[in-house]
Amino acid sequence: EPEVTQTPSHQVTQMGQEVILRCVPISNHLYFYWYRQILGQKVEFLVSFYNNEISEKSEIFDDQFSVERPDGSNFTLKIRSTKLEDSAMYFCASTPRRGGNTEAFFGQGTRLTVV
Amino acid sequence: AQKITQTQPGMFVQEKEAVTLDCTYDTSDQSYGLFWYKQPSSGEMIFLIYQGSYDEQNATEGRYSLNFQKARKSANLVISASQLGDSAMYFCAMREVWNYGQNFVFGPGTRLSVLP
Repeated sequence: EPEVTQTPSHQVTQMGQEVILRCVPISNHLYFYWYRQILGQKVEFLVSFYNNEISEKSEIFDDQFSVERPDGSNFTLKIRSTKLEDSAMYFCASTPRRGGNTEAFFGQGTRLTVV
Repeated sequence: AQKITQTQPGMFVQEKEAVTLDCTYDTSDQSYGLFWYKQPSSGEMIFLIYQGSYDEQNATEGRYSLNFQKARKSANLVISASQLGDSAMYFCAMREVWNYGQNFVFGPGTRLSVLP
């Protein structure tokens, strides 16, 4: 069964450093998403991406964040200068289309720890 | 305003019994989708069940069913014959569709503990 894959599964970084979280969405999917889940809290939307551009972003997704689909398969989330409060689980998700009865397919997540 | 409300932060159920996890939502859209996801302690998000706003019948998937009451804007998840492996966080989510994309808005979750 096709799946969304994320690497790394766990990343530890020093405050102020840049991190790139990587995702490979399901190959025939067209819409891609990043979500964040601070430990024990709700799943929060960061950004959605379609047709090689951001289609929507939340207030959390400020200038420190950027997304890219560099080569047609990978979908990356970059945090330029990490803060302690960026420590969270980051989920990538994809859907084949907009609307309909299809769920969002989630990756297994990357746990980011900023020290 | 919170769009998805899950009023039960934690629930306990005895193994083999049924349990209902509550979810209410707020939307002015006529067409929308409601989803339930399970998040075990390992952290991944597992899709369980979907209900479309125009579906006339309640969705069912194995031991999972959705008690959809559109007028009350509620979409409660019913798990029958609970198993120890059902212990997890459960999230209700609603899909919002925009002109160029969509988003899945999640509720705060309910932690279910199944007791032997």
